[in-house]
This record gives sequence, structure tokens and C-alpha cells, in this order.
Amino acid sequence: EAEVAQSPRYKITEKSQAVAFWCDPISGHATLYWYRQILGQGPELLVQFQDESVVDDSQLPKDRFSAERLKGVDSTLKIQPAELGDSAMYLCASSLRAGTSVSYEQYFGPGTRLTVT
Amino acid sequence: GESVGLHLPTLSVQEGDNSIINCAYSNSASDYFIWYKQESGKGPQFIIDIRSNMDKRQGQRVTVLLNKTVKHLSLQIAATQPGDSAVYFCAENIGGGSNYKLTFGKGTLLTVNP
Repeated sequence: EAEVAQSPRYKITEKSQAVAFWCDPISGHATLYWYRQILGQGPELLVQFQDESVVDDSQLPKDRFSAERLKGVDSTLKIQPAELGDSAMYLCASSLRAGTSVSYEQYFGPGTRLTVT
Repeated sequence: GESVGLHLPTLSVQEGDNSIINCAYSNSASDYFIWYKQESGKGPQFIIDIRSNMDKRQGQRVTVLLNKTVKHLSLQIAATQPGDSAVYFCAENIGGGSNYKLTFGKGTLLTVNP
């Protein structure tokens, strides 16, 4: 069964350092999402891509976070500089294509657990 | 602002019993709802979904009920098993088009006692 891949699974970094997460969506999925999940809470959307274009980054802290999906396939989320409050699980999800009748289901990857010290 | 929330943060049941997890939503424009299961250290896993033009949908051992009158969603799990122990999230989609996104509730921790 096809899965969303994420790496690394765990990352420990010191505050003020740069950190990057990678996501490879399910093949053929045009829509890709990055979420942040704080322990005990539901995932919160950071950014949504349709192919290589950003369609929603309203909740992305753009002073320190950036995301790209240059070829419309895999994606990278970067934090620079990392702050203590960034400690969380970062989840990537993909779906066929948002806006079509069969597109709504999002498939999640295993996530990257970030700890900022 | 409008949000999705859960009535019960924790639920403990005996193995073999039926479980009911509830969710309240406040946005009448929501047209699609999903239940996800999340085990410790893993990403959310799709369980079942329902569109706003339906009031009930059944899957394998799970049933989702949608009451649009009171903006309430529930997940019923039949013959609950230890492997069902996890956090369950409901999520709603507001609107459509290419900019649709899911808003997640806070989650309910289900514990199944053997």
C-alpha cells in the first residue's frame, strides 16, 4: 500500500539553528499539506500546495518558516532559526487533488518529532 | 471563531463493548467530515468520512452519524478491541475548490481495557 514518506522521524536541535524536514507524497497526489501538531492537540495546517504552487500559507510563520515543492512532487519544510516553541510533531499529508469530488481524503505520513533545546 | 470540538477528552471502555466518540462543530458551511485515529508516535490514520448530504455511513465495525440540526458528529465503534486504543480526531472541511482545508478538533483518547 502506498504511503507518505517523511524524514527524519526524529530531530533534536538547539534553538537558533536551522532544521529541515522532507516529505514524499503518495505517487499521483497533486495536493500536499504540512501540519504542526502540538502534544495533546489536533494537527494545524501550516501550508498547502497544489502541484508546485502554494494555495494556502496563511498560518505559516513566514519570518522563520519556509516551504517548497519545486517539481510538484516531494516537499521540504524549513525552520530558521528554530525556537523552543517550535517543538512539535510536523506532519505531511497528501490527497489526490483538492476540489474534486474524490479528493478530500488526506493520507498522513508518520511525522517528524522535533525537539528544540 | 468557528471551530470543531469534542465533548469528551477521554473515554475508557471494556473490550467487547461499543464505543461512542462525539464531536460538535459550529460551522454550518462545513460540507465534509472525517474521523481519524492516531496511535502514539504515528500520523493520523483515516477511519471513515461522511458528506453533509448524508446522515449516516457505515464501515467495518465503525459508523459515523451526522446531525446537521444540532451540528453534531459521532463515531461508533462496535465490539471495541485493545487495538482501537488511540486518540480519535474529527475534522471538518469548510467550503471547496482548490483551497479547501481540514480543521481538526482536539481529540478524544480512547482506552480499551482487556
